[in-house]
Amino acid sequence: ILNVEQSPQSLHVQEGDSTNFTCSFPSSNFYALHWYRWETAKSPEALFVMTLNGDEKKKGRISATLNTKEGYSYLYIKGSQPEDSATYLCASPVRDGQNFVFGPGTRLSVLP
Amino acid sequence: KAGVTQTPRYLIKTRGQQVTLSCSPISGHRSVSWYQQTPGQGLQFLFEYFSETQRNKGNFPGRFSGRQFSNSRSEMNVSTLELGDSALYLCASSFSGGEGYTFGSGTRLTVV
Repeated sequence: ILNVEQSPQSLHVQEGDSTNFTCSFPSSNFYALHWYRWETAKSPEALFVMTLNGDEKKKGRISATLNTKEGYSYLYIKGSQPEDSATYLCASPVRDGQNFVFGPGTRLSVLP
Repeated sequence: KAGVTQTPRYLIKTRGQQVTLSCSPISGHRSVSWYQQTPGQGLQFLFEYFSETQRNKGNFPGRFSGRQFSNSRSEMNVSTLELGDSALYLCASSFSGGEGYTFGSGTRLTVV
């Protein structure tokens, strides 16, 4: 059974702080790793798709790296803003092209 | 383009009743997946439909079923509702299933 873990469970940072959190997945049979941002009362929104031959991904102040050998991905947020407050989910497909297993999420609160 | 539409947004049902939830995917998307989120749990995969066929199924009892129509719209049915079925049910669509999701806003089901 594919198990995707995330840490920490929750995080409180001050506005302007940079932060990062981790997604861990089995390093064997890696297909892809997806990051989503889920703001309260909204739908989860896709952030990045990390693939085997992919480099660091970046979208504005948010970036993600991938280490398939050791089975983890980091999500970095530089200069956190209150609008970054959300739950960040990572997900990995059970097999190529099949359904995703989601981690429990990291809940980020950015205090003004 | 229109997003993923789920109806209804909120639903209150009594134990023992049955319920049907609806999901209209993004135009052109043929894969529709359903997930359940309960407090303290991550997103749990229910099933995926592709071109009117159930392609993948999670570990949920047979009370949970679904179908997909020729226009890719999908319905999910839960029979003999139990209190533990109270959850947020999210629908996600994608073109073929492996490239990541676009999520709907979810249906929040409360069973009393």
